[in-house]
Amino acid sequence: GAVVSQHPSWVICKSGTSVKIECRSLDFQATTMFWYRQFPKQSLMLMATSNEGSKATYEQGVEKDKFLINHASLTLSTLTVTSAHPEDSSFYICSARARDRRNQPQHFGDGTRLSIL
Amino acid sequence: EDQVTQSPEALRLQEGESSSLNCSYTVSGLRGLFWYRQDPGKGPEFLFTLYSAGEEKEKERLKATLTKKESFLHITAPKPEDSATYLCAVSKNAGGTSYGKLTFGQGTILTVHP
Repeated sequence: GAVVSQHPSWVICKSGTSVKIECRSLDFQATTMFWYRQFPKQSLMLMATSNEGSKATYEQGVEKDKFLINHASLTLSTLTVTSAHPEDSSFYICSARARDRRNQPQHFGDGTRLSIL
Repeated sequence: EDQVTQSPEALRLQEGESSSLNCSYTVSGLRGLFWYRQDPGKGPEFLFTLYSAGEEKEKERLKATLTKKESFLHITAPKPEDSATYLCAVSKNAGGTSYGKLTFGQGTILTVHP
């Protein structure tokens, strides 16, 4: 089946550090990838939609200068949390949809747990 | 505003005790309703997609059904390994940047005791 790989799986860093998270589609090309955030015991909240070769689309209330998204190839999207603070601590999950399968479901990575001290 | 509400929030079952999880939705122009399973510390794992009222899909002990207002995930004779959080999500018929976006419910935490 479709596989989406996310790296790293766990990050602990000091306040003010910038953190980059990678999302790769391993066996298919993904023109669209999605970035979600999930707080403990809550559901997934969409942060932004990442489109290959164009600017990301951010959901209302998500700071685009805080959460930088780059989708430079059909298999890789990155999320950079800039100058992270404790309130940015969360579980970040990406998903991808195959290029030629717009009616297929999104496949998710295993998430990145970010802890800012 | 699109809304997805799941119930119950948590469900405890004995092994072999069948039950159902509910997902109620309000969305203008449903394109698809999705069920995912999420284990602790992991990303959601795809289970089913339903597109139209009356549609049913099955996979092992799970069966998903869809009406115009809600979806049910029926679990028959569950086993402890079925313990997980089950998430329901909807996507709508929308073009441009809204295409393919999922709105998730808050999930149902299922615990199956041996």
